[in-house]
Amino acid sequence: DVKVTQSSRYLVKRTGEKVFLECVQDMDHENMFWYRQDPGLGLRLIYFSYDVKMKEKGDIPEGYSVSREKKERFSLILESASTNQTSMYLCASSSRTAVALYEQYFGPGTRLTVT
Amino acid sequence: AQSVTQLDSQVPVFEEAPVELRCNYSSSVSVYLFWYVQYPNQGLQLLLKYLSGSTLVKGINGFEAEFNKSQTSFHLRKPSVHISDTAEYFCAVSEQGGSEKLVFGKGTKLTVNP
Repeated sequence: DVKVTQSSRYLVKRTGEKVFLECVQDMDHENMFWYRQDPGLGLRLIYFSYDVKMKEKGDIPEGYSVSREKKERFSLILESASTNQTSMYLCASSSRTAVALYEQYFGPGTRLTVT
Repeated sequence: AQSVTQLDSQVPVFEEAPVELRCNYSSSVSVYLFWYVQYPNQGLQLLLKYLSGSTLVKGINGFEAEFNKSQTSFHLRKPSVHISDTAEYFCAVSEQGGSEKLVFGKGTKLTVNP
């Protein structure tokens, strides 16, 4: 089974802090994604990475950056956390094989509260 | 660019009743379609997907969906729901041959009551 793990289930940070959210997948997937989930808004893509050191902005990249130094690990960075970044953050990965193309596997999520 | 509309934000239903969760999409090119389920305090799990072939797709837990190209719809159905089906359901679309990103709808919260 594909496993996507996220470093924390719950996180509380103060305004202005630098925050790192870590995601690791164990199935050698090429693609990795960071989403933000808010009630009534569904999932919105923050950043997407299709290879090591490669990244692409999603729909709401402002205030976030990402790092992918190894294939299995994709980090989301909040440079200076703000209260409007309080949310559930979901990481996902997917393979480029034809059978599983576009099928994303999700981690359990990190609920971040910024006070 | 694609978009997805889930017409109902909440659907309450009694146990053993049938249910349909509606999804419409908009795209200028051919698409792939997905339904994901999110149980409380968990990540999303794939229920079923349409890539090509038969327009009736069967998934896990007794769910099925039908792709209707003329109506740009991909509604999810189950003939008899259980309490354990209580969850949030998300419809998603991706362009064929495009980047491997998914565009998600805003979700439908299904509540199954005894």
